Amino acid sequence: DAMVIQNPRYQVTQFGKPVTLSCSQTLNHNVMYWYQQKSSQAPKLLFHYYDKDFNNEADTPDNFQSRRPNTSFCFLDIRSPGLGDAAMYLCATSISGGPDTQYFGPGTRLTVL
Amino acid sequence: AQSVTQLGSHVSVSEGALVLLRCNYSSSVPPYLFWYVQYPNQGLQLLLKYTTGATLVKGINGFEAEFKKSETSFHLTKPSAHMSDAAEYFCAVSDSGGYQKVTFGTGTKLQVIP
Repeated sequence: DAMVIQNPRYQVTQFGKPVTLSCSQTLNHNVMYWYQQKSSQAPKLLFHYYDKDFNNEADTPDNFQSRRPNTSFCFLDIRSPGLGDAAMYLCATSISGGPDTQYFGPGTRLTVL
Repeated sequence: AQSVTQLGSHVSVSEGALVLLRCNYSSSVPPYLFWYVQYPNQGLQLLLKYTTGATLVKGINGFEAEFKKSETSFHLTKPSAHMSDAAEYFCAVSDSGGYQKVTFGTGTKLQVIP
């Protein structure tokens, strides 16, 4: 089945220790998104790629970076995680954005000690 | 800027009762509207969406929503709740016209009481 896969499902890191979360898709969609979702809050868009074009949200901290080496994979790098970065990180894809359905992965829950 | 407001962070209904989850939106142009569902420890899944055309939209699992421009609302309903409907539901909006990001509401947790 075509799907969006996130690894790992649970990630524990230490304060200030860089961490990378990964997302892969078999849907061959043009757009890939990274959302941060804290408990009882709405998913917050961090950035997205339209093909190779990177689009950063204005309020996304510089501490968060992303890479998309090819159509299938996208990575979220947190350079120096703080306690406030503990959250669920959701990856999603869509064909071309806007009204298109977004397909979400199961998420990676990040704990910062 | 577009936004959505979901009234009620928690809603409880009895099994077999009507489900009504409320969503109001704000958009300066005709909106695209979505309802997504999130089960525990899973990603979001699209229930239904409104883009253009018929204002009553039917989705998966027996859910439907009606776009009411005059009320700026897009409430989600289901005639008879099942235990399996217990989840968190997110309303979302996107401005029409070119690429526009989707903005999610804060979610409503639905509890179904046997």
